[in-house]
Amino acid sequence: AQKVTQAQTEISVVEKEDVTLDCVYETRDTTYYLFWYKQPPSGELVFLIRRNSFDEQNEISGRYSWNFQKSTSSFNFTITASQVVDSAVYFCALEDSGAGSYQLTFGKGTKLSVIP
Amino acid sequence: GAVVSQHPSRVICKSGTSVKIECRSLDFQATTMFWYRQFPKKSLMLMATSNEGSKATYEQGVEKDKFLINHASLTLSTLTVTSAHPEDSSFYICSASRLAGTDTQYFGPGTRLTVL
Repeated sequence: AQKVTQAQTEISVVEKEDVTLDCVYETRDTTYYLFWYKQPPSGELVFLIRRNSFDEQNEISGRYSWNFQKSTSSFNFTITASQVVDSAVYFCALEDSGAGSYQLTFGKGTKLSVIP
Repeated sequence: GAVVSQHPSRVICKSGTSVKIECRSLDFQATTMFWYRQFPKKSLMLMATSNEGSKATYEQGVEKDKFLINHASLTLSTLTVTSAHPEDSSFYICSASRLAGTDTQYFGPGTRLTVL
């Protein structure tokens, strides 16, 4: 069965610090997708990244970077030089064929608070 | 591109009434739409998956007679909460995908339902 674990429930950092959000997943599929979404206090889920299981290259987008390690089934997310606007709940999600419906399985989320 | 809207953003209703929530993909055609429910400080729980023109597939434990889902066109899906009760109060979020399994799910801004 699919499972996504975000062990960190809440993290607080001071502005400009780097922070890494952990995500560990379980799946029996060889083809799957991993996602990160940001949910600010307004509630809307904002898509950040989608990564194919066959692409283990790390990705950097501005202050955001992602480290995908199939060997440890992890897809960690790092924010460099954090800003107050980064404060939000971040969800890691897994999409696989599962029961054939390509559903997203979400982790429980990590609430990030960036303190000015 | 890939903008999803939901209407209304917030609704308060009396117990026993029905409430309809609309989910629209504004700039793309969505073959598949998903409906989620999110309790306070919790992760997203998938309620159902709907493909345009066919009946929705409900997750285990979700009452299909209570949560009516219609996906009549490639840009619109509706969720009707029938005979609402206070325990139905929640944050309902839809997502849309051009084609499940190959495209990212883009999320709407959510609808906050309060049943008095």
